[in-house]
Amino acid sequence: EAQVTQNPRYLITVTGKKLTVTCSQNMNHEYMSWYRQDPGLGLRQIYYSMNVEVTDKGDVPEGYKVSRKEKRNFPLILESPSPNQTSLYFCASSPMGGPNYGYTFGSGTRLTVV
Amino acid sequence: GESVGLHLPTLSVQEGDNSIINCAYSNSASDYFIWYKQESGKGPQFIIDIRSNMDKRQGQRVTVLLNKTVKHLSLQIAATQPGDSAVYFCAENKGTGNQFYFGTGTSLTVIP
Repeated sequence: EAQVTQNPRYLITVTGKKLTVTCSQNMNHEYMSWYRQDPGLGLRQIYYSMNVEVTDKGDVPEGYKVSRKEKRNFPLILESPSPNQTSLYFCASSPMGGPNYGYTFGSGTRLTVV
Repeated sequence: GESVGLHLPTLSVQEGDNSIINCAYSNSASDYFIWYKQESGKGPQFIIDIRSNMDKRQGQRVTVLLNKTVKHLSLQIAATQPGDSAVYFCAENKGTGNQFYFGTGTSLTVIP
């Protein structure tokens, strides 16, 4: 089944403790992206990647890092999480050409930073 | 039932009625638009898209209308069913091709 898989689905952590949210897609998509979803603010893009070793900032990149060493994986790294990063996170992928060909989203990761 | 997107983020309709969800987009350079449906506890799912060289596109029970003059997009759902209850987002590419920008969404509730 074609899908985007995120792990974990739920995570509670403490301020300052580094964490990684993994994202993997099995559709051989070139484009991958991370979004956060907050009430009243909708989906905001954190980082995106056009292909392996090519990443770029979205609208809200502060406090996050990403890497794209392999085509299928696009992990989101929070080096020192803070409570304002409590949110619902979605990974998405798209074929070559970017999101103009439609995204496939993962099921989400609900992160709580205390 | 009809919403005005950002100004009326909730919409309730009777089962079997048609629904209209509206979205005002921001950038006249946007040339590609997508409607997504997000059910509770799930990621957004692609419903239908439209490019700026079109003003109407139809899918199965859904129709998207694009009015570039007033930068307005609407999603029409025919014969709304309980399974249509979800949050609906419009998204625009602002002409960049590399990034998509999502609206805050409209919550649709179908009353049996």
